[in-house]
Amino acid sequence: NAGVMQNPRHLVRRRGQEARLRCSPVKGHSHVYWYRQLPEEGLKFMVYLQKENIIDESGMPKERFSAEFPKEGPSILRIQQVVRGDSAAYFCASSPPVSGGIGYTFGSGTRLTVV
Amino acid sequence: GESVGLHLPTLSVQEGDNSIINCAYSNSASDYFIWYKQESGKGPQFIIDIRSNMDKRQGQRVTVLLNKTVKHLSLQIAATQPGDSAVYFCAESGNNRLAFGKGNQVVVIP
Repeated sequence: NAGVMQNPRHLVRRRGQEARLRCSPVKGHSHVYWYRQLPEEGLKFMVYLQKENIIDESGMPKERFSAEFPKEGPSILRIQQVVRGDSAAYFCASSPPVSGGIGYTFGSGTRLTVV
Repeated sequence: GESVGLHLPTLSVQEGDNSIINCAYSNSASDYFIWYKQESGKGPQFIIDIRSNMDKRQGQRVTVLLNKTVKHLSLQIAATQPGDSAVYFCAESGNNRLAFGKGNQVVVIP
């Protein structure tokens, strides 16, 4: 029973390019969350999605960032026109419905480096 | 110019000794708390959780204490092992998200 799968593990982008980060949740989990972690800091909430719905995107920058969780396939976090400040580790977590934080499982993250 | 990053609080502990890691949380309405362990290059790994109607919960070699009066959590690790070396985060659950604390680095000295 695979956990949360994120790919790629490492991503290098030049300033101005687009970054696409993928997350496949634990089988049976319908809720996906994205978090960002800067070096030596805790994780910061970005967005919470259910299948085909964005439930809460209050932690995500209004410009350049978008997220989706389609009916089929992985959840995607998309960052357009990346800047150096976007360099961070991005973690995805999934949970069963009505979790309240219980049963959260994190992936190993995608480390984005903008050069 | 070069930016100076924050250094995590670090606890150095001799192998076999007990470790205590502390955390202050902010939201008095939070009712569920979790401790996570994060090793270098990996995602957060669940260690133990506690609900607000409890003040203590024990797992295998770990104990979490909750003091709601002062909004304080602690994680105790018994007989610390080299594999316990990691960064430890507390998190509080609310509003469909987890709010993480700043983290504490534990270094186990063999």
